Amino acid sequence: DAGVIQSPRHEVTEMGQEVTLRCKPISGHNSLFWYRQTMMRGLELLIYFNNNVPIDDSGMPEDRFSAKMPNASFSTLKIQPSEPRDSAVYFCASSPGLSSEQFFGPGTRLTVL
Amino acid sequence: EDQVTQSPEALRLQEGESSSLNCSYTVSGLRGLFWYRQDPGKGPEFLFTLYSAGEEKEKERLKATLTKKESFLHITAPKPEDSATYLCAVQYSNDYKLSFGAGTTVTVRA
Repeated sequence: DAGVIQSPRHEVTEMGQEVTLRCKPISGHNSLFWYRQTMMRGLELLIYFNNNVPIDDSGMPEDRFSAKMPNASFSTLKIQPSEPRDSAVYFCASSPGLSSEQFFGPGTRLTVL
Repeated sequence: EDQVTQSPEALRLQEGESSSLNCSYTVSGLRGLFWYRQDPGKGPEFLFTLYSAGEEKEKERLKATLTKKESFLHITAPKPEDSATYLCAVQYSNDYKLSFGAGTTVTVRA
């Protein structure tokens, strides 16, 4: 069975550019979560959706970050404009329900120069 | 603010040397406690969910236990392939987000 799919796996961009990260959750899962992982701050939740509806975006650091889930099988996390401090590994996770265990994708390693 | 603290930060074991990892959390209504394993360059891999004090879960050489204030992950007779970072995450009853600890990096030498 396919797990959570993320693309791209690696992204290198220059400061000021727009970055779009993509996620395909596990089929049948109703909840989707976006996390960011850095050495300094560990794993942090950015935003989560339930049935394609954003529930809590309080972890989104700034207005430069936005996330969408247009349908049950696709979500995007966009950073515009990107800054060097956005460099991190971004994970997408999905779960059958909000209180169930979450299954993580392989992550996207973002480097902003 | 709810906090999740893991100890030790790092653990070096000889193959076969059993040990335990600790995850403590502020007590403000626990919905569930989750253990994950993370290998370098990969996403966290789900191991266990614990919901109430006294609950235990086992998988191969790993056993997770839960009290009202903390959880332990016991590694029995570890092998080199058990080397990884083990993450603990807490979901509180007033929210659905997972609050992760910083992790314990376990290295098992042959």
